[in-house]
Amino acid sequence: GAVVSQHPSRVICKSGTSVKIECRSLDFQATTMFWYRQFPKQSLMLMATSNEGSKATYEQGVEKDKFLINHASLTLSTLTVTSAHPEDSSFYICSARDHRETNEKLFFGSGTQLSVL
Amino acid sequence: ILNVEQSPQSLHVQEGDSTNFTCSFPSSNFYALHWYRWETAKSPEALFVMTLNGDEKKKGRISATLNTKEGYSYLYIKGSQPEDSATYLCAFSILKYIFGTGTRLKVLA
Repeated sequence: GAVVSQHPSRVICKSGTSVKIECRSLDFQATTMFWYRQFPKQSLMLMATSNEGSKATYEQGVEKDKFLINHASLTLSTLTVTSAHPEDSSFYICSARDHRETNEKLFFGSGTQLSVL
Repeated sequence: ILNVEQSPQSLHVQEGDSTNFTCSFPSSNFYALHWYRWETAKSPEALFVMTLNGDEKKKGRISATLNTKEGYSYLYIKGSQPEDSATYLCAFSILKYIFGTGTRLKVLA
């Protein structure tokens, strides 16, 4: 099946710094990628839908100036957590659909555990 | 607010036991129901995508059923093995994907 690569897998940063997370589709073109956030013992919560060549669509309550999403190519989407604070510490994971498949299943990265000190 | 519920939250079974979990979702405006398997430190992997009421899908020892009228899906694992230990997520898709909190399965050797 299709492969999605996400980096870094873990990052620890100081409060006030920005962190960039990359999500790449390795063997398919992803016009749409999804960014999720997961707090302990909670479900994956959709943050935003990233569309190649256009602005991301953010879910209600997600600050677009805080979580910058760039989808400049068909194989790469990035999520930048700007001026990170301890409350941004969470698990972030991306996914994409392979439009060659008709059943719309998602292919996921392996996630990024962000810890803000 | 669309909500997807999974039960149980966690489950320990002995190797060789069969087990099943439940996913409940809104029964109106149904489009598709997904099951994913998520092993620790790996990416979630799609098991099934189900769209038709009464649908039953099978992959090896794992199978799933779907009832869209009452809004539930069951995932069954026959003869559980230690390698089946993972979190099993379901997701309801209608324009976007809404995930449950998962069922964490531990199969004891």
